[in-house]
Amino acid sequence: GNSVTQMEGPVTLSEEAFLTINCTYTATGYPSLFWYVQYPGEGLQLLLKATKADDKGSNKGFEATYRKETTSFHLEKGSVQVSDSAVYFCALSDNGPGGTSYGKLTFGQGTILTVHP
Amino acid sequence: DADVTQTPRNRITKTGKRIMLECSQTKGHDRMYWYRQDPGLGLQLIYYSFDVKDINKGEISDGYSVSRQAQAKFSLSLESAIPNQTALYFCATSEGYLNKQFFGPGTRLTVL
Repeated sequence: GNSVTQMEGPVTLSEEAFLTINCTYTATGYPSLFWYVQYPGEGLQLLLKATKADDKGSNKGFEATYRKETTSFHLEKGSVQVSDSAVYFCALSDNGPGGTSYGKLTFGQGTILTVHP
Repeated sequence: DADVTQTPRNRITKTGKRIMLECSQTKGHDRMYWYRQDPGLGLQLIYYSFDVKDINKGEISDGYSVSRQAQAKFSLSLESAIPNQTALYFCATSEGYLNKQFFGPGTRLTVL
């Protein structure tokens, strides 16, 4: 079956530091890959996505590249801010040929990021 | 107004009680989902529904049931709550071909 593994957390950084959160996956078919973010007391929000190999998703200064050869989708940001403190989830969606979605997401366990001023 | 709403936001109940969590959406999406979140385990899929007449079990459906009363409403029930069902529960919706899911704010359930 499908699975997603994220780096162990929590991660604590100083403001303006470089961020990497590792994510690797196991899947059959043609998965799409996602990063979701959960701010304190809120539901999850989509941060970025990539639908095929070598695609790069980006949003709010965050980036992740779909690497099929290493089955990875690592999240990076060059300079984090205090407002980036949240829980980050890597996820994959099971797709059929042509990207038709089967609609189910498999999540990693989440990584807690805390950024200090 | 929020696109995906959940009620109640917090609930404390006792072992053996029946509990219903409700989810409503104004996004017009056909697909709706229920997840539970436990610390260190990410989100696990309980049930999902691709339309009013299509309901499917997820990874951890034992002890739960659902009802899709309308396109916009999807309820999760615990027929006889037990303490290990204490968790944060999220409802989500999506348009199938776009994959992107929209989450509600969550319901924090505590079973004593």
